[in-house]
Amino acid sequence: QSALTQPASVSGSPGQSITISCTGTSNDVGDYNYVSWYQQHPGKAPKLMIYEVTNRPSGVSNRFSGSKSGNTASLTISGLQAEDEADYYCSSYRRGGTQVFGGGTRLTVL
Amino acid sequence: QVQLVQSGAEVKSPGASVKVSCKSSGYAFTTYGISWVRQAPGQGLEWMGWTSAYYGDPNYAQKFQGRVTMTTDTSTSTVYMELRSLRTDDTAVYYCARDRSSSDYWGQGTLVTVSS
Repeated sequence: QSALTQPASVSGSPGQSITISCTGTSNDVGDYNYVSWYQQHPGKAPKLMIYEVTNRPSGVSNRFSGSKSGNTASLTISGLQAEDEADYYCSSYRRGGTQVFGGGTRLTVL
Repeated sequence: QVQLVQSGAEVKSPGASVKVSCKSSGYAFTTYGISWVRQAPGQGLEWMGWTSAYYGDPNYAQKFQGRVTMTTDTSTSTVYMELRSLRTDDTAVYYCARDRSSSDYWGQGTLVTVSS
């Protein structure tokens, strides 16, 4: 089962906006609105940032937003802050009742 | 508050089995599923499977079919993940997470080391 495709790394300066893409297929991202995004700091458990493509859990900053077009989902972080530096993973429901993660993107705040 | 508490670190020999527990509290246990996700050292997240007390048979990732079993004890709100025929590349941190359409609460992780 192939993972979803994410860029290995992205970077931005404080205050800027960045976007992380997550490309799947019509068997997952393209056909289901069950795309989630997770933030993971070193040595910590992942934290849910976006669920069902566009929704933010309570307590997550509105600087984080999600979207989807075709087989590609995206996470945008606006007003970058130092604490946003982390690894980010997308995941999607996949036809057949399974779930798949992306390979992860390392965000560096310059 | 919602909490998922996992069992402690394990060291196993190749070919052995490991059983990791995940005890839930602070919510109606039977209204959510539990996913298991692992992370090898320096690597990304890998979904292993999902189980619930309300939905029937677990769903496992094809990669682990035949080697993993996830079970639920509703009397103690605990889910177990057993992985058999361990190999050195099964060395990883294993996480459980509360799951409905996404994993909103995670356990602290259990390090499983497979070494001869």
